[in-house]
Amino acid sequence: KAGVTQTPRYLIKTRGQQVTLSCSPISGHRSVSWYQQTPGQGLQFLFEYFSETQRNKGNFPGRFSGRQFSNSRSEMNVSTLELGDSALYLCASSGGGTGAETQYFGPGTRLLVL
Amino acid sequence: AQSVTQPDIHITVSEGASLELRCNYSYGATPYLFWYVQSPGQGLQLLLKYFSGDTLVQGIKGFEAEFKRSQSSFNLRKPSVHWSDAAEYFCAVVGGSTLGRLYFGRGTQLTVWP
Repeated sequence: KAGVTQTPRYLIKTRGQQVTLSCSPISGHRSVSWYQQTPGQGLQFLFEYFSETQRNKGNFPGRFSGRQFSNSRSEMNVSTLELGDSALYLCASSGGGTGAETQYFGPGTRLLVL
Repeated sequence: AQSVTQPDIHITVSEGASLELRCNYSYGATPYLFWYVQSPGQGLQLLLKYFSGDTLVQGIKGFEAEFKRSQSSFNLRKPSVHWSDAAEYFCAVVGGSTLGRLYFGRGTQLTVWP
């Protein structure tokens, strides 16, 4: 079974731009969670989608948004980029039914904001 | 709310030595606990998980962890470390109404001396 895939793997943007990251879950998984990883803050939860609905959200500003499609693929969008948004963005997929299953992570998208 | 503490930011061991990485969690009910490993520039790979049952769980790469409810701990162990084990290790917990949200510790960086 193929693992979680994320595209693109690397991205360079400038302040004020917006960016869209994509995540394809493991086949059959219906939940996708997104995390931001930085050296200063560690791994922080952004949001989780299950069956096209956002079920949970972390403490990030409204510039961070996401969505999930009917095939469970998910995208996250960051508008009006700031230097502090430079990070590794990780998505994880799970079966999703209870919200407490094992999460399997993709390789991440490394975003650099200049 | 759930939380995870990894007291050791950095651990150095010699190849062939035993290893124990500490993890303490805070959660009112029985938690679901995980250990993940991350190599530089990569995503998180699941090492092992505890949901219920036997408190000593076996994982990949020769790792094991023991759940101790009385100490709110889930320490990771390996009897003989290999140079390829050098990486960052994260303990995580999920449970209750967290719906797709893992709470991570800050990680322990493992260095292995040849």
